Amino acid sequence: GDSVTQMEGPVTLSEEAFLTINCTYTATGYPSLFWYVQYPGEGLQLLLKATKADDKGSNKGFEATYRKETTSFHLEKGSVQVSDSAVYFCAFRWSTGFQKLVFGTGTRLLVSP
Amino acid sequence: DGGITQSPKYLFRKEGQNVTLSCEQNLNHDAMYWYRQDPGQGLRLIYYSQIVNDFQKGDIAEGYSVSREKKESFPLTVTSAQKNPTAFYLCASSIDTVGQGAAGYTFGSGTRLTVV
Repeated sequence: GDSVTQMEGPVTLSEEAFLTINCTYTATGYPSLFWYVQYPGEGLQLLLKATKADDKGSNKGFEATYRKETTSFHLEKGSVQVSDSAVYFCAFRWSTGFQKLVFGTGTRLLVSP
Repeated sequence: DGGITQSPKYLFRKEGQNVTLSCEQNLNHDAMYWYRQDPGQGLRLIYYSQIVNDFQKGDIAEGYSVSREKKESFPLTVTSAQKNPTAFYLCASSIDTVGQGAAGYTFGSGTRLTVV
């Protein structure tokens, strides 16, 4: 069935390091792809999205490119800050009809000064 | 500003009691969802509602009930049948007219329920 696989956490980095969080999906076709971020004690916020192949979503210095060949949507940031410490969720959703978001299990990022 | 409001932020329940978590949205979204999140875990879908007066069970509906009498409101009741209700509960909504599936969800800030 449809699913999302994210890299296991926690990912521990020093401030200003480069971040990659891997995400791949298993589905027949080309759904819309999303990254959500959850700060401690809060709900999820949409970070970025891409709705078709080769689209790049970007926000707050984060980027992710929709790669249909590898069914991936890896999240990257060139220089992380302590304030980026959070849990990051990858998700996908079909663009036609009523379809629920399919979430990955989340990856915790810890950034130290 | 439009958004989703969950209340209360913290809730304590005695064993054997039912408790209702509130979720209200003013985004004019069609669909609403309830998720449960345990410490260090991902999201598990409890119930969802595509339109008013209709709702469907998610993956872990046992011990929970919902209603959708108004488009804006989707309250969740945690019943005494739910054996381990201590968790963080998240409500979400989305536009779900045909062709809007590329829209993501908007989440509330959550309710942390603790059984005492």
